[in-house]
Order: sequence, then C-alpha cells, then structure tokens
Amino acid sequence: DVKVTQSSRYLVKRTGEKVFLECVQDMDHENMFWYRQDPGLGLRLIYFSYDVKMKEKGDIPEGYSVSREKKERFSLILESASTNQTSMYLCASSPQGSRTQYFGPGTRLTVL
Amino acid sequence: QKEVEQDPGPLSVPEGAIVSLNCTYSNSAFQYFMWYRQYSRKGPELLMYTYSSGNKEDGRFTAQVDKSSKYISLFIRDSQPSDSATYLCAMSAIGNTGKLIFGQGTTLQVKP
Repeated sequence: DVKVTQSSRYLVKRTGEKVFLECVQDMDHENMFWYRQDPGLGLRLIYFSYDVKMKEKGDIPEGYSVSREKKERFSLILESASTNQTSMYLCASSPQGSRTQYFGPGTRLTVL
Repeated sequence: QKEVEQDPGPLSVPEGAIVSLNCTYSNSAFQYFMWYRQYSRKGPELLMYTYSSGNKEDGRFTAQVDKSSKYISLFIRDSQPSDSATYLCAMSAIGNTGKLIFGQGTTLQVKP
C-alpha cells in the first residue's frame, strides 16, 4: 500500500515563527503536492513538485516556500507564520502521468 | 467564478437512501474526473475515477460524467452510516503534471 506520512498531526505555533511541515512517501512517486483545506473552500494547491529540486507554484503560494532535496520528501515552509495560515495542511503524492493522488493524514496547524 | 463548484451541504439522509452528489465545472479542457472520500480527521482517499464522459459503477457507487453539460455526479445506493464523510470532486486536464482542481466538498451524514 502507498503510504504518505506527515511529521505532525497537530501543531501550535506563534505569529512570526518559522514553521516546517514534512511529508514523506514510500512509493517512489515523482509528483508531490501541498494543499491547505479550509471550510467552504475545499482543497487549494499551495505548491507542487514533479521531480527532485523542481517546484511549481500552485494557486495560493504567497507566504509559503517548499523544498524537495530527496525524491521521497517534500517540505512546506512558512517563513513567518501568520494567523491566517491556521488551517489543515495535506500532502499528497502521485506517480508521473497519473491523476491518482495519495494523501497523508494531514497536519492541523494553529497559529496564535 | 470558481473552476469547480460543489454544493457544500451538509446533506443528511436516512440509512438506505439513494444519495446524489454533484459538481459543475467551467473548464472544457478537463478530461479526468475523480471523487475522493474524506473521513473526519483523515486525508482524502480516491473513491472513483473516470476518464472523459460516461458512467462507471463500483458496488454501491456510480460516477457519471456529462461533458456537454460540464456536470459530474456520484450516486450512492443503499447508503450506510459508514458512508458519512466529506465527498470531494476533483478534475484535471491533459498534461503531465497531474495537477487536480478540487470542489469545495460535500459533507454527508447517513443516519441509522
């Protein structure tokens, strides 16, 4: 079975802190994605990567950056956390050319 | 106007009812259509996948795509309390990045 793991299920940070969210997949997938999920807004794509060291902006990249140094790991970075970044963050992966994305359990981030 | 529109509900039905979940979209380039199911405090998981137009059936679930009307549906027959979840439609155009556009999600509750 494909497994996508995220470093934390729940995280509480303070405004201005630098926040790292880690995602690891064990199926050698080329594509990895970071979404945020908010009530009434569904899943919105923040960044995605289709290869190591490659990244592309999604629909809402402002305030975020990403890093993909190894194929299995995709990190989301909040450079200076703000209260409007309080959300559920979901990581996903998929094989090259496939539309089937496999999701991690999510990290619920609260920024105080 | 959002590319994909989905009624967020919530939708509450008695056990055994037929459930109809729907999404409309505006981008005629979409060719891949998916339904994901998300249980509370979990990541989404793929439920149904359809390429182009037509119907697809899997047990109690039927997915329909009407590209002429830019409308997709998910039907659940003999609904069960275990079907209580949020259902997200997702779509993608032809291309090799595998990027998906999600609807807002519909929350379904099936009452025993």
